[in-house]
Formats: sequence, C-alpha cells, structure tokens
Amino acid sequence: RKEVEQDPGPFNVPEGATVAFNCTYSNSASQSFFWYRQDCRKEPKLLMSVYSSGNEDGRFTAQLNRASQYISLLIRDSKLSDSATYLCVVNIAPGGGADGLTFGKGTHLIIQP
Amino acid sequence: GAVVSQHPSWVICKSGTSVKIECRSLDFQATTMFWYRQFPKQSLMLMATSNEGSKATYEQGVEKDKFLINHASLTLSTLTVTSAHPEDSSFYICSTTGGRLDEQYFGPGTRLTVT
Repeated sequence: RKEVEQDPGPFNVPEGATVAFNCTYSNSASQSFFWYRQDCRKEPKLLMSVYSSGNEDGRFTAQLNRASQYISLLIRDSKLSDSATYLCVVNIAPGGGADGLTFGKGTHLIIQP
Repeated sequence: GAVVSQHPSWVICKSGTSVKIECRSLDFQATTMFWYRQFPKQSLMLMATSNEGSKATYEQGVEKDKFLINHASLTLSTLTVTSAHPEDSSFYICSTTGGRLDEQYFGPGTRLTVT
C-alpha cells in the first residue's frame, strides 16, 4: 500500500466551480500534514498546512480526518491560475524534520475558461 | 521564508560524464539541506540529507558513491551525479527548512537529461 495516495486526475473543471480532492495516508503515526502546489516543471510551494480542526485560507479549505487517515482540499470559485498539480504531503517525524516528509504523486487540476 | 537558488536550471550531458548541481540558501544559514529527485508523474523522493561540515545521510537505495554531496558552507550544498546514465535523467530539487519545522523552501530545481 502506498504511503500517501492521491487520485492523479486530471480534473477538468470550469472556471468559477468548486472542486475538492482527497488524499489518504497509511502511517497512523503521521504528525503533520500539508498541501503543496507544483506548477509544470517548477518546484513545489507550500499552499497550506492542514490542522485537525480544519483551516481556511481565502478560497482554500483543508480538512484532516485522523480516524480515517485522509486529508481533503476544497477550492471555491476556481480561477484559471489554480491550474496546477496539488501535492499531499505527510510528515511522520515527531520534530517535523524533512527526512520524515512523504509526498503524494499529486492531483492534476485544470481550470477551463 | 528562505530563498533557495539552484544552478544550473537544466543540463543535458552525455552518458558517462559527471554533472554538478549547486544549491544555495540566499538569506538563511542552512546547516541542513535536502536533495530530492522527481521522475515524470512521480512523487518527490528524498535522496539525502546534506549536513554542513559532515557527511550526508543517504536514503535507502541511493548510491552515495554515485551521488556525491558536499556541504562545505552554511549557504552552499552541491550534488554531483557521477558517471551519469540515461536513467539518472530527472528533476533534482534541493530544499531547506529556513529554521521552521513545518515548511520546506525548495529551490527552483535542475532538470537533468542524460543522452
């Protein structure tokens, strides 16, 4: 079983739509959770951390379900510029060291005009 | 956050040659830097942890004699791919935490193509 699993997509959605995708992780000892965004041929950039209580940043909402071991990302009022690959990242290291980071393969999102 | 640069951005080399990739932390003294590799449509995979002034720590399955890492200063880590082969063609990315535990700052990456 893969450590961090995501639907690769692509998800094609019209501009202005709301889109959500999930990620599941296998290690129950995972300590921290993130969504990163990666544009084509570019480095990943942190989109947001994911907290147990759920958190929102503008049009983006992240949720964590520890019991079911999944993380979700919701994007409202999608923009053309949201087109990217979204990486689910889980850290199993207690201190949060990067050697504990595990990346999903990413979900490819395409926003259509 | 920390600003990380990488050079070169891309490189094409012939099989059997060696290629050096530089990773610089521009505004943060990085005692630790990380090297990742990403094949097309695959996850980022941690290759090694680069420690300033000491030997790098390699992940299982990564050949330390093939991927030489040098972290001679707090702002520079280098990865040398020795005797490169076509299967080494990949996107190599370095990162540092910038002093925070909950965020990684990535360099822009180096795309290596071995012909």
